[in-house]
Amino acid sequence: EVQLVESGGGLVQPGRSLRLSCRTSGFKFGDYAMTWYRQAPGKGLEWVGFIRAKTYGATTEYGPSVSGRFAISGDYSRGVAYLQMNNLQIDDTAMYYCTLVHGIYWGQGTLVTVSS
Amino acid sequence: EIVLTQSPGTLSLSPGERATLSCRASQTINTRFLGWFQQRPGQAPRLLIYGTSNRTTGIPDRFRGSGSGTDFTLTITRLEPEDFAVYYCQQYGNSPWTFGQGTKVEVK
Repeated sequence: EVQLVESGGGLVQPGRSLRLSCRTSGFKFGDYAMTWYRQAPGKGLEWVGFIRAKTYGATTEYGPSVSGRFAISGDYSRGVAYLQMNNLQIDDTAMYYCTLVHGIYWGQGTLVTVSS
Repeated sequence: EIVLTQSPGTLSLSPGERATLSCRASQTINTRFLGWFQQRPGQAPRLLIYGTSNRTTGIPDRFRGSGSGTDFTLTITRLEPEDFAVYYCQQYGNSPWTFGQGTKVEVK
């Protein structure tokens, strides 16, 4: 059974950093792309970015609102995907979800609140 | 960036009725890269349809996706109580990937 479990969210001040983790099980982590999405309170879905499968070089792409500030990586020995978020802004407040490929399976999400 | 516009914003229907949700793109989308998600209150979204018309494993056949070019449709042939939720279309063929703003299907 595929399982995705996010962690690492919390309250952070503007300008600070936070790293989210997505622990995976039930599939071979390096064989699939992993995508992060977010959803601000009461709002719609937004694509954050993805990391390609290891076979495709584990390269990454990002949405325009996070490009240059966020970075996705993976620990292939532990089956964990990471979302490193730097220079966080108020507008980054959202529930963050990791997903398998483009959204075949989803975690339960982890809430990030950016506030002074 | 491809803009997806969903209509209507809210659909008020009764159980057993047919729901037709529209998703219009600002430019042509490869049908391989158009999907639909369902989100119930307090839950993570779940993928219903990928590649315009393919149901994800476990999704009932009352959910049907269709379309091409810039116009795509999700049809729920007979609404069940658990189908009242918000639905999002998404294109994942061009970067940045984008979502429509959502259609809420509510109980009339």
